[in-house]
Amino acid sequence: GAGVSQTPSNKVTEKGKYVELRCDPISGHTALYWYRQSLGQGPEFLIYFQGTGAADDSGLPNDRFFAVRPEGSVSTLKIQRTERGDSAVYLCASSQASGGGQETQYFGPGTRLLVL
Amino acid sequence: AQKVTQAQTEISVVEKEDVTLDCVYETRDTTYYLFWYKQPPSGELVFLIRRNSFDEQNEISGRYSWNFQKSTSSFNFTITASQVVDSAVYFCALSEINRGADGLTFGKGTHLIIQP
Repeated sequence: GAGVSQTPSNKVTEKGKYVELRCDPISGHTALYWYRQSLGQGPEFLIYFQGTGAADDSGLPNDRFFAVRPEGSVSTLKIQRTERGDSAVYLCASSQASGGGQETQYFGPGTRLLVL
Repeated sequence: AQKVTQAQTEISVVEKEDVTLDCVYETRDTTYYLFWYKQPPSGELVFLIRRNSFDEQNEISGRYSWNFQKSTSSFNFTITASQVVDSAVYFCALSEINRGADGLTFGKGTHLIIQP
């Protein structure tokens, strides 16, 4: 079956612009996660969805970052007024059932965002 | 606060050598899960293993083995008879069950280079 997919694979934007990154989880996975990975670092948790609702958004760095999952499947991560420091690889993961930390998260290929 | 330390930033060995990647974690939770992921040059995180805090049995999967020791808060990963295809960045990650958050906490990763 298909894994987690993310689009676009690469995004170049200018400082101050708005961007949207899309994640399509594994079919049947109700839990969805966003992470950010800077060069030379491990992924950092941003937000977790259980179904349509954001169950934990404690990792979002500030209010320029927002994510939605309106139908409980595809999710969009939105970044307003992008800054050069937002440049990173944005990873999406999904897991079965309730998530809850014990479920294995399966990752997509990521979107490489470059803010000029 | 939870934390994962991978003290080895980079390891380089010659093919067929055995190599151990270290992972030390910190948590105040009594129930937690530990994970290892592989990130090859293509960038996608590949799940390798999940271990819960109540299961201290070591695990072997082909050339891969894992040693979990709660007494030293370590979850080390050994590759036996390494191959060039094992070259990648390897991440150890922690998930706490009772903390109420579901995101994984990753270490900074160990870049493993297998030379032919």
